[in-house]
Amino acid sequence: SAVISQKPSRDICQRGTSLTIQCQVDSQVTMMFWYRQQPGQSLTLIATANQGSEATYESGFVIDKFPISRPNLTFSTLTVSNMSPEDSSIYLCSVSRTSGYTDTQYFGPGTRLTVL
Amino acid sequence: AQTVTQSQPEMSVQEAETVTLSCTYDTSENNYYLFWYKQPPSRQMILVIRQEAYKQQNATENRFSVNFQKAAKSFSLKISDSQLGDTAMYFCAFLPRGAQKLVFGQGTRLTINP
Repeated sequence: SAVISQKPSRDICQRGTSLTIQCQVDSQVTMMFWYRQQPGQSLTLIATANQGSEATYESGFVIDKFPISRPNLTFSTLTVSNMSPEDSSIYLCSVSRTSGYTDTQYFGPGTRLTVL
Repeated sequence: AQTVTQSQPEMSVQEAETVTLSCTYDTSENNYYLFWYKQPPSRQMILVIRQEAYKQQNATENRFSVNFQKAAKSFSLKISDSQLGDTAMYFCAFLPRGAQKLVFGQGTRLTINP
């Protein structure tokens, strides 16, 4: 498995501001993933973060709105920029671990963001 | 494109009962993995059980077991002797082998009543 921490666990922000969410893993991983979970919804992948290269964004998500950093193999940040109430969601990071022939994603505890 | 469908938005059972959550998926892949994740009110996504598509034997983890029907593309989760702590959202997820993008179903909200 994996031990993943996220900071902050929750925040309430004003529209127009930005929030940076941190994700720390207990050991080195190649890829880290950022998901958004809007209220009452399933998870949607925002982007995949590789160390040493730019993040790969999914359709509907852009770097200007969700810039991602990946300075080393155990850490990543996601910034939610110029926030609006529609950005109120849970943001989760995850990592993939391989055991035998099986790839499994493990998730951090999530950051609950409320934008007023 | 792969899709995952959970047809039961909500379920409710009494403590100690057995409950089965349904999941179907659509794919042209032959090698893949399937997962059930649990998300309690704390919002942490917790891996419950996983199944490799090449294995015919159904996965089991304590009170949790799956019924994997590859031809029917069905992957249901059975919870035996349900406990109050099983109350959570349950998400079925699909991952093609060699890929990194998990495909999630819409979730089933399970409530265990005392």
